[in-house]
Amino acid sequence: GESVGLHLPTLSVQEGDNSIINCAYSNSASDYFIWYKQESGKGPQFIIDIRSNMDKRQGQRVTVLLNKTVKHLSLQIAATQPGDSAVYFCAEMANQGGKLIFGQGTELSVKP
Amino acid sequence: SQTIHQWPATLVQPVGSPLSLECTVEGTSNPNLYWYRQAAGRGLQLLFYSVGIGQISSEVPQNLSASRPQDRQFILSSKKLLLSDSGFYLCANTGPSGATGELFFGEGSRLTVL
Repeated sequence: GESVGLHLPTLSVQEGDNSIINCAYSNSASDYFIWYKQESGKGPQFIIDIRSNMDKRQGQRVTVLLNKTVKHLSLQIAATQPGDSAVYFCAEMANQGGKLIFGQGTELSVKP
Repeated sequence: SQTIHQWPATLVQPVGSPLSLECTVEGTSNPNLYWYRQAAGRGLQLLFYSVGIGQISSEVPQNLSASRPQDRQFILSSKKLLLSDSGFYLCANTGPSGATGELFFGEGSRLTVL
């Protein structure tokens, strides 16, 4: 559902470690999911997406896992770098062309 | 490639004053357009979306309105701003394929109401 009214959770990791960012979605009818990265003062940028007929998808240094049973989505970032520091949002959509609803967001901080 | 332009980038307005934020899209036609608001340190809230000229859907009751006078222009307005209208406003549109749902965001307009 909507993320309004909640402060962002934070995740702090050491440079070079793997990061896992979690997201719980609310609509069991959602069939398309996206992860966005938002750097300070900028608009969100697309990272990776996954459809509900898949449970895993890999990109460059990133992997998204989808567990429809518990309505859970995760983003794994391998070998986290300082440039990965940002707020990460998951977003869900029910039916193609429908509204994209954003989750709460997680602030990732990478320590050198 | 498509681009989204938002202006002004920053705005400081007194309570009770009007507002107009503009968003234009280049490099695509008949896009779905969206206005999101992001309060400091918080998530994105969908305010309005539009699937075509003159077609506006409002997601939450509020002090704001939206209009789409042209295919690639989306405007966010208010007649009288409230303190709670402060935030980071993001315009977005769907990608070239449209059906994927992926959104492309502008750089945002930061509004401070005093």
